[in-house]
Amino acid sequence: AQSVTQLDSQVPVFEEAPVELRCNYSSSVSVYLFWYVQYPNQGLQLLLKYLSGSTLVKGINGFEAEFNKSQTSFHLRKPSVHISDTAEYFCAVSDQATAGNKLTFGGGTRVLVKP
Amino acid sequence: NAGVTQTPKFRVLKTGQSMTLLCAQDMNHEYMYWYRQDPGMGLRLIHYSVGEGTTAKGEVPDGYNVSRLKKQNFLLGLESAAPSQTSVYFCASSYSGTGVHEQYFGPGTRLTVT
Repeated sequence: AQSVTQLDSQVPVFEEAPVELRCNYSSSVSVYLFWYVQYPNQGLQLLLKYLSGSTLVKGINGFEAEFNKSQTSFHLRKPSVHISDTAEYFCAVSDQATAGNKLTFGGGTRVLVKP
Repeated sequence: NAGVTQTPKFRVLKTGQSMTLLCAQDMNHEYMYWYRQDPGMGLRLIHYSVGEGTTAKGEVPDGYNVSRLKKQNFLLGLESAAPSQTSVYFCASSYSGTGVHEQYFGPGTRLTVT
């Protein structure tokens, strides 16, 4: 079984400032890693994913994440946020050994971008 | 393409009532999922299906039943609603080919049980 911990439940940040959202996971098997974003009153959409290869992954809207196997982390970053980045962000893992593409989600980090 | 759609968008039930949530996808995906979202807990998997006619339990299946009679539809049923089932419910689907694939989510159903 896996678990995902998002260390910050809320992150306030000023427009054009950088932001980092922290995600740690635990698993007894190798995993795939994802970040999803949920804008107010909407479903989730994929920001980026790590399957293999380079540990630095670039996603949509200027976001990137770095996979660190030794620290079992997958932190999300954006160098300069915009008001439209106000949303809730979810880190998720998928077990490589089990069929079905099932995801285990963290508790979410709510980002509020202030002007 | 509509993607993943959910019906209804909102519903209020009294304790003990039953209801069915409908999820439909037009992407010909084999895999479908039902999640519930509660504050601070992220999304938790209720049930999922890896193909027409098959279903399996997720992390929090108690109090829910599902059916996948057609590939494009995945139904979530509550036989006797309880206040603890007040939540936002999301359906998702994904492709089943080699490797791992992203899940596509519907807009959600907000359910309140009084």
